[in-house]
Amino acid sequence: GAGVSQSPSNKVTEKGKDVELRCDPISGHTALYWYRQRLGQGLEFLIYFQGNSAPDKSGLPSDRFSAERTGESVSTLTIQRTQQEDSAVYLCASSSNPGGRTGELFFGEGSRLTVL
Amino acid sequence: QQPVQSPQAVILREGEDAVINCSSSKALYSVHWYRQKHGEAPVFLMILLKGGEQKGHDKISASFNEKKQQSSLYLTASQLSYSGTYFCGRGGGSQGNLIFGKGTKLSVKP
Repeated sequence: GAGVSQSPSNKVTEKGKDVELRCDPISGHTALYWYRQRLGQGLEFLIYFQGNSAPDKSGLPSDRFSAERTGESVSTLTIQRTQQEDSAVYLCASSSNPGGRTGELFFGEGSRLTVL
Repeated sequence: QQPVQSPQAVILREGEDAVINCSSSKALYSVHWYRQKHGEAPVFLMILLKGGEQKGHDKISASFNEKKQQSSLYLTASQLSYSGTYFCGRGGGSQGNLIFGKGTKLSVKP
């Protein structure tokens, strides 16, 4: 596609339910990032995938959070047993990262998660 | 550990200048600047890869002092369209990671 696509754009769920958020990166981009942005706050790093290398999971806040990526395509961020503090916009970004160095990130429009 | 940005917020009149600073306690291999307008996704402004490098486009430029592990973003003759939150990011060298600061909210008034 022309840009990074995320779905759903909005998700309302009840506390304790599991949610899956999807990110479709720009074709050919080897790097994929997930960030969390709480209302009025900054971009909190969650996880980074680079090609077939082991992902950098250092930003995942708890074991309720996990993410997968199939090759260099779609990624899914899963939040289990959601809590109210998980409410945020989850942003996905992709990059070509030439030579493995951080390049320009292209962000999707985000998935807004509300946990009641 | 995330970079530290200052100030947290700044209000300008159209035509005024502003400087946003970014510093890191961890090695800065590269510095990345993004702007996010309200309700929108962040948009790339520039990357600085070498110490002492300065880059810019239009009236927005940036410098990178690798020795001090600092970068500054300069906005001159600000326009209403410059309003938004500016984030600096610390590149992870060969690791490709990108950690952002908490952001600086810039408001330009007519």
